[in-house]
Amino acid sequence: GQQLNQSPQSMFIQEGEDVSMNCTSSSIFNTWLWYKQEPGEGPVLLIALYKAGELTSNGRLTAQFGITRKDSFLNISASIPSDVGIYFCAPNRDDKIIFGKGTRLHILP
Amino acid sequence: GAVVSQHPSWVICKSGTSVKIECRSLDFQATTMFWYRQFPKQSLMLMATSNEGSKATYEQGVEKDKFLINHASLTLSTLTVTSAHPEDSSFYICSARDKGTGNTIYFGEGSWLTVV
Repeated sequence: GQQLNQSPQSMFIQEGEDVSMNCTSSSIFNTWLWYKQEPGEGPVLLIALYKAGELTSNGRLTAQFGITRKDSFLNISASIPSDVGIYFCAPNRDDKIIFGKGTRLHILP
Repeated sequence: GAVVSQHPSWVICKSGTSVKIECRSLDFQATTMFWYRQFPKQSLMLMATSNEGSKATYEQGVEKDKFLINHASLTLSTLTVTSAHPEDSSFYICSARDKGTGNTIYFGEGSWLTVV
């Protein structure tokens, strides 16, 4: 099956720092989505990327769809306490969304 | 905006019994819904794709006779965990595709199942 690698698995940062996480795959995807999930809740869509090379921002979040369509990154600038949670890359192929293993973001006081 | 609602939010059942989880699209019609399972500290794993008016498509390794999916209307899909066992305890999440907004997929809030 297709491999989807998300890194890092977890991050411990200071409030105000920038964050970067990425996903790579051995397969080509049509769409890359980024979700955030908080404990006990369903995932919430942050950014959707539809074209190879596309760079999209949503407030302090920026994501890019890799040119090869096999990777994507998500950056968060000037992190704040409410950014804590698990971030998932979720590429879409054949109308199915597949989730990466997630990046747990912890913000130190 | 579009909302997908799951019910119940949490349920505790005895081992050997069956439990049904509902997934509803509240303000749009969903011809396709998806069911995921998430164990603690793990990612969401796609179990099956639910298609309105036809049989669900199950991912490899998911027992279709154990996880019964019914998508009888354009706004409701149900997942029934039959003869539940403690290892079925998990967070079950559904999502629904809204064709009216360019195939945007919305997720429900999830349902916690604990089998004792």
